[in-house]
Amino acid sequence: DGGITQSPKYLFRKEGQNVTLSCEQNLNHDAMYWYRQDPGQGLRLIYYSQIVNDFQKGDIAEGYSVSREKKESFPLTVTSAQKNPTAFYLCASSIGRVNTGELFFGEGSRLTVL
Amino acid sequence: QKEVEQDPGPLSVPEGAIVSLNCTYSNSAFQYFMWYRQYSRKGPELLMYTYSSGNKEDGRFTAQVDKSSKYISLFIRDSQPSDSATYLCAMTNYGQNFVFGPGTRLSVLP
Repeated sequence: DGGITQSPKYLFRKEGQNVTLSCEQNLNHDAMYWYRQDPGQGLRLIYYSQIVNDFQKGDIAEGYSVSREKKESFPLTVTSAQKNPTAFYLCASSIGRVNTGELFFGEGSRLTVL
Repeated sequence: QKEVEQDPGPLSVPEGAIVSLNCTYSNSAFQYFMWYRQYSRKGPELLMYTYSSGNKEDGRFTAQVDKSSKYISLFIRDSQPSDSATYLCAMTNYGQNFVFGPGTRLSVLP
């Protein structure tokens, strides 16, 4: 089955620690995205990537980093510089150009900072 | 003013009711409009994708766009308990800006 796999589903982190969230897709999509979802707010874009070895900051990139070494993989690192990292993180992909609207999402990773 | 506004709900309706979910937006450059459905603790899934003004129907779902009023709607006919979810509107001007609304939580009671 084609889709997007995110891991882990749940993650707990102590303050001051970096954590990496995994995102893998087998849809052969060019574009990949990371969103953050908080209660009462729309999805906010953290980073996106159109092609391998290239990525762009979204609206709330501070305290996050990404890499795109393979087409299938787009991991997100939440660094200790992110002031309020507790949130639901969603990875998505789309065919072709970024921001054309038809996104396929993974099941999400819920990060809690203790 | 937020770029996209959506009544957060929760909206509770009895099974079989017609549901109307709405979004307003401020950027007149948006041309493509989407509705995503998100079940609790899951990722959103695309429900409807429409271009410009007009109606689009898919089974029990109808998406309506009124660009002159900057207003989009999703109607659900004969609502079922399985429709209970959060519904997110989204819109784009195709490659430039892409934005989601905050979502409306819907509960369909049996």
